[in-house]
Amino acid sequence: DVKVTQSSRYLVKRTGEKVFLECVQDMDHENMFWYRQDPGLGLRLIYFSYDVKMKEKGDIPEGYSVSREKKERFSLILESASTNQTSMYLCASSLTFQQFFGPGTRLTVL
Amino acid sequence: KNEVEQSPQNLTAQEGEFITINCSYSVGISALHWLQQHPGGGIVSLFMLSSGKKKHGRLIATINIQEKHSSLHITASHPRDSAVYICAVFGRGGSNYKLTFGKGTLLTVNP
Repeated sequence: DVKVTQSSRYLVKRTGEKVFLECVQDMDHENMFWYRQDPGLGLRLIYFSYDVKMKEKGDIPEGYSVSREKKERFSLILESASTNQTSMYLCASSLTFQQFFGPGTRLTVL
Repeated sequence: KNEVEQSPQNLTAQEGEFITINCSYSVGISALHWLQQHPGGGIVSLFMLSSGKKKHGRLIATINIQEKHSSLHITASHPRDSAVYICAVFGRGGSNYKLTFGKGTLLTVNP
């Protein structure tokens, strides 16, 4: 079974802090994705990566950056956290079409 | 207007009822995903289909490519089916297997 893990289930940070969310997959998938999920807005793509060191902006990249130094690991970085980044963050990976999701990190920025 | 529209947004049913959730999309697609998310939980892929019909246990997914429409059916619904069901599509000609999501249907099945 594909396993996608995320570093934290719940995270509380203060405005202005730098925040790292980590995602690891164990199936050698080339594609990895970061989404945020908000009530009434559904899932929105922040960034994705289709290979090591390769990344592309999704629909809402502002305020975020990503890092993919190894194939199995994809990190989402909030350079200076703001309250409007309070959300559920979901990571996913895929080889082709089918995406496999991690359990999510609920981030609260105070 | 979202490219993927789901209906209904909310659905309440009694245990045992037959349930249908609909998904319409406006773009040509390569494949369509039905996903399930339990409260506080991660997202699980239920089906991925590009034509016809798939069945897994009490769940059935159908797609009509010409009409740009898919349905997810649950037979003999149970309270454990209570979850958010999300339809997502892969646009034809798109790169890197990006998904476009519907906003989800919240299903509550009462005992």
